[in-house]
Amino acid sequence: SQQGEEDPQALSIQEGENATMNCSYKTSINNLQWYRQNSGRGLVHLILIRSNEREKHSGRLRVTLDTSKKSSSLLITASRAADTASYFCATDEGTPLVFGKGTRLSVIA
Amino acid sequence: GAGVSQSPSNKVTEKGKDVELRCDPISGHTALYWYRQSLGQGLEFLIYFQGNSAPDKSGLPSDRFSAERTGGSVSTLTIQRTQQEDSAVYLCASRGGAGVSYNEQFFGPGTRLTVL
Repeated sequence: SQQGEEDPQALSIQEGENATMNCSYKTSINNLQWYRQNSGRGLVHLILIRSNEREKHSGRLRVTLDTSKKSSSLLITASRAADTASYFCATDEGTPLVFGKGTRLSVIA
Repeated sequence: GAGVSQSPSNKVTEKGKDVELRCDPISGHTALYWYRQSLGQGLEFLIYFQGNSAPDKSGLPSDRFSAERTGGSVSTLTIQRTQQEDSAVYLCASRGGAGVSYNEQFFGPGTRLTVL
């Protein structure tokens, strides 16, 4: 069953704007991961945040985790057309990872 | 180094036929996963192999689905008597190994299966 639920399902922004995607989950986790998928093919790991961390940065990516609210957010700053993809959160509560349905991000040049 | 590879990249078959999908994980990775993704949906876990342990088959949707992993490396997912609802992208991922985050999964490009 799916645990992570991303919000919104779809997001369309102009190049240069920031994009924020949210993920909610239901049970305790070891860590939460964000993945990106282009054109319905393989996923690429973006960032992992552990349950005892609250914020993490990687380049233009910023991830927050609020375990009390069982939610996470992914912020992409200064978006580019190449950021157009689907973004999935995945919760790690053991094995396997549990993926949400994803947010489809469209960045318009 | 080489990533996870899957073959074929696309497979079109007729309802009722059997299909085999192959996954070559990253060398040295001990864990291997199969997922299924229907159009516009998230990933549905199918089966998980970890080293020499018995596989976790809890995600297989029916007894028409089976998978094996030979020699702790290559894995084959077999779907018998395919149905139209089996049409999806089948993704393989591997995890683990020295020098990489043990939690990160590395995905193959997937096999797009179409059952006519």
